[in-house]
Amino acid sequence: QVQLVESGGGVVQPGGSLRLSCVASGFTFSSSALYWVRQAPGKGLEWVALIHFDGNKYYLDSVKGRFTGSRDNSKNTLYLQLNSLRTEDTALYYCAKDAGAFAMDVWGQGTPVTVSS
Amino acid sequence: DIVMTQSPDSLAVSLGERATINCRSSQTILYDSNNMDYLAWYQQKPGQPPRLLIYWASTRESGVPDRFSGSGSGTDFTLTISTLQAEDVAVYYCQQHYTTPYTFGRGTKLEIK
Repeated sequence: QVQLVESGGGVVQPGGSLRLSCVASGFTFSSSALYWVRQAPGKGLEWVALIHFDGNKYYLDSVKGRFTGSRDNSKNTLYLQLNSLRTEDTALYYCAKDAGAFAMDVWGQGTPVTVSS
Repeated sequence: DIVMTQSPDSLAVSLGERATINCRSSQTILYDSNNMDYLAWYQQKPGQPPRLLIYWASTRESGVPDRFSGSGSGTDFTLTISTLQAEDVAVYYCQQHYTTPYTFGRGTKLEIK
């Protein structure tokens, strides 16, 4: 069964940091591109990052320099390091798997991040 | 960045009737090299993650009922639900997967009339 399970979310003050994790199973992790997508409370979906299997990484402009994606193929785990957090980063963060056409065919349940003083 | 504009914001349709959601991109998302439009549609029900319905504008994801169809090319796209079922109540998003950032539309909330 193809599955993604996120963890690491929490409540943090502005300027703080968190590291999100996404553990994958049921597919060949090392050859899959993976994404982070977020959804602020009551709002729509916002693409955050693409972590390609070849190591290339792409980010939303508003998170460049603050968020860093990485992957550990030996652990089938995707990461998102969130630094210098802002209140507008408050959201449910999903990881998702590439369908082979840069669309997203498998999603986790998400991990919530709340940035508040 | 490519801006994705969906319409309408919300839609109420009777059971068994057709539902149509539109999506427009601010620039073409048609790749000349393979003649494919990089447009995806997702369904999101309350408390659930999104579900991929359609990619490449008209390719239905495995397991998606055939009452869901996608059409369009270039900058104008449509998601059609041919005969609305109760379980289709959800928010629907379009997304361009042509170039990063892979932007989403703001969503269309579909309800039963």
